[in-house]
Amino acid sequence: GAVVSQHPSWVICKSGTSVKIECRSLDFQATTMFWYRQFPKQSLMLMATSNEGSKATYEQGVEKDKFLINHASLTLSTLTVTSAHPEDSSFYICSARDLTSNTGELFFGEGSRLTVL
Amino acid sequence: AQSVTQPDIHITVSEGASLELRCNYSYGATPYLFWYVQSPGQGLQLLLKYFSGDTLVQGIKGFEAEFKRSQSSFNLRKPSVHWSDAAEYFCAVGNPYMRFGAGTRLTVKP
Repeated sequence: GAVVSQHPSWVICKSGTSVKIECRSLDFQATTMFWYRQFPKQSLMLMATSNEGSKATYEQGVEKDKFLINHASLTLSTLTVTSAHPEDSSFYICSARDLTSNTGELFFGEGSRLTVL
Repeated sequence: AQSVTQPDIHITVSEGASLELRCNYSYGATPYLFWYVQSPGQGLQLLLKYFSGDTLVQGIKGFEAEFKRSQSSFNLRKPSVHWSDAAEYFCAVGNPYMRFGAGTRLTVKP
């Protein structure tokens, strides 16, 4: 199946710094990617829809200025957590859909674990 | 609005016993339905999906699920559970983006 890669898989940073997480579709193109957040022992919550060449669409309650999303190409979306604080510590997962597929299946990255000290 | 309910937060079964994980959904049109499995600290793996056609769907690792429109359900089943099946299981609905249920944690007793 299609492969989605996230980098880094885990990151530790100091409070107040910014962290960038990359999401790449390795063997397919995706005009749309999705960013999810997962707290420990909880489900995945959709944060935003990343649209190639245009602004991301954020879910209600997600701060646009805090979580910057850029979808510069058909294979890359980035999530930047700006001025990170300990409450931003979480597991961030991206997903993407193959442009050429009509099955509707989303392929997920392995996730990026962020710990803010 | 789309929503997914997994009524069971935690299920424990003995190895070799059968398993059924429940999933109920709310969706305005014909739903796209998915089951994913997640091992601790890892990403999601797709077990199976339903878009249309045969309501009994076969997936990987011996799992199957049955779509019942009248009950708005998409329950996951496995006839004989293995210790390696212990994980968190998520039901999801939607297209293009997915809404996930709260998850069901499966523990397998030896």
